[in-house]
Amino acid sequence: DAKTTQPPSMDCAEGRAANLPCNHSTISGNEYVYWYRQIHSQGPQYIIHGLKNNETNEMASLIITEDRKSSTLILPHATLRDTAVYYCIVRVAGTNAGKSTFGDGTTLTVKP
Amino acid sequence: DAGITQSPRYKITETGRQVTLMCHQTWSHSYMFWYRQDLGHGLRLIYYSAAADITDKGEVPDGYVVSRSKTENFPLTLESATRSQTSVYFCASSESWGASNQPQHFGDGTRLSIL
Repeated sequence: DAKTTQPPSMDCAEGRAANLPCNHSTISGNEYVYWYRQIHSQGPQYIIHGLKNNETNEMASLIITEDRKSSTLILPHATLRDTAVYYCIVRVAGTNAGKSTFGDGTTLTVKP
Repeated sequence: DAGITQSPRYKITETGRQVTLMCHQTWSHSYMFWYRQDLGHGLRLIYYSAAADITDKGEVPDGYVVSRSKTENFPLTLESATRSQTSVYFCASSESWGASNQPQHFGDGTRLSIL
């Protein structure tokens, strides 16, 4: 599975959009991009995933570049409760889980 | 309530002891996973299971043993605990990880300290 690169930390003002980037330049054609977040010391929580097209759900939007080498998770109106560590991972569908890891993620701090 | 539960939530033990962490899910998900998370770092995959009686190594399997005799349970055993295995352990499950690319659902973790 491809590795991902994320900035270690980001700040965002409450009520503004939070845009979290992820680089996955070695992604393969059949690998999906997944985003999870981990609030404090809880178990990671699934946010969204996609293959090629942009995706949106009630939590966030996922924008994947045309060459699929990077993506951006967008939280449209960040709240203080969105402060968390955000993980971007890539995984192949149709095979076993593989040996990829979550990496260290991006710590997003939403400020009043 | 349906979901994924881990037990115990907290465990303190001594080096050389055997300790087993339990994971139980009520969704009948085929895939289950064990991760460890060291302080200030991301999750690393220890073992995973595609179905009952099918398990495979992840990134950091040394020192750990798993079994899956029933779909709903996936215990993780540290056969002879070492201080380097002090960590937070997360169990996860997913529905047919491969073909349907479903996301993983995580438990609340077990905080294990080895003295």
